[in-house]
Amino acid sequence: DVKVTQSSRYLVKRTGEKVFLECVQDMDHENMFWYRQDPGLGLRLIYFSYDVKMKEKGDIPEGYSVSREKKERFSLILESASTNQTSMYLCASGEGHTDTQYFGPGTRLTVL
Amino acid sequence: GENVEQHPSTLSVQEGDSAVIKCTYSDSASNYFPWYKQELGKGPQLIIDIRSNVGEKKDQRIAVTLNKTAKHFSLHITETQPEDSAVYFCAASKAGSQGNLIFGKGTKLSVKP
Repeated sequence: DVKVTQSSRYLVKRTGEKVFLECVQDMDHENMFWYRQDPGLGLRLIYFSYDVKMKEKGDIPEGYSVSREKKERFSLILESASTNQTSMYLCASGEGHTDTQYFGPGTRLTVL
Repeated sequence: GENVEQHPSTLSVQEGDSAVIKCTYSDSASNYFPWYKQELGKGPQLIIDIRSNVGEKKDQRIAVTLNKTAKHFSLHITETQPEDSAVYFCAASKAGSQGNLIFGKGTKLSVKP
């Protein structure tokens, strides 16, 4: 079975802190994705990566950056957390040729 | 770009009844349509998917139908059970999009015992 793990289930940070969210997949997938999920807005794509050291902006990249130094790991970085970044963050991975995505359990981030 | 609309946003059924969730998409080049189920406190889980070369796919109590001409696809759950209660998301993608899925906004399904 595909396994996507995220470093934390719950995280509380203060405004202005630098926040790292880590995601690891064990299926050698080429593609990895970061979404945020908010009530009534569904899943919105922040960034994705289709190869090591490659990244592409999604629909809402402002205030975020990403890093993919190894194929299995994709990190989301909030350079200076703000209260409007309080959300559920979901990581997903997928094979390049099938478009199927597999999701991690999510990290619920609260910024105070 | 692609836009996926999902209806209804909430759906309440009695245990044993059927539930149907519908999605429409805008890009006729889309060719892959997965459905995800998200239980409370968990990430979305793929439950069924369909590609544009077929019109229907079934897996036990769930089925998905695709109408390419009308650009809509639907999820059908028969003999619903309380454990079917969750938020369901549809999505669409097309070849060459690097695996990007465009998601609908979700349907909260409640199955009452």
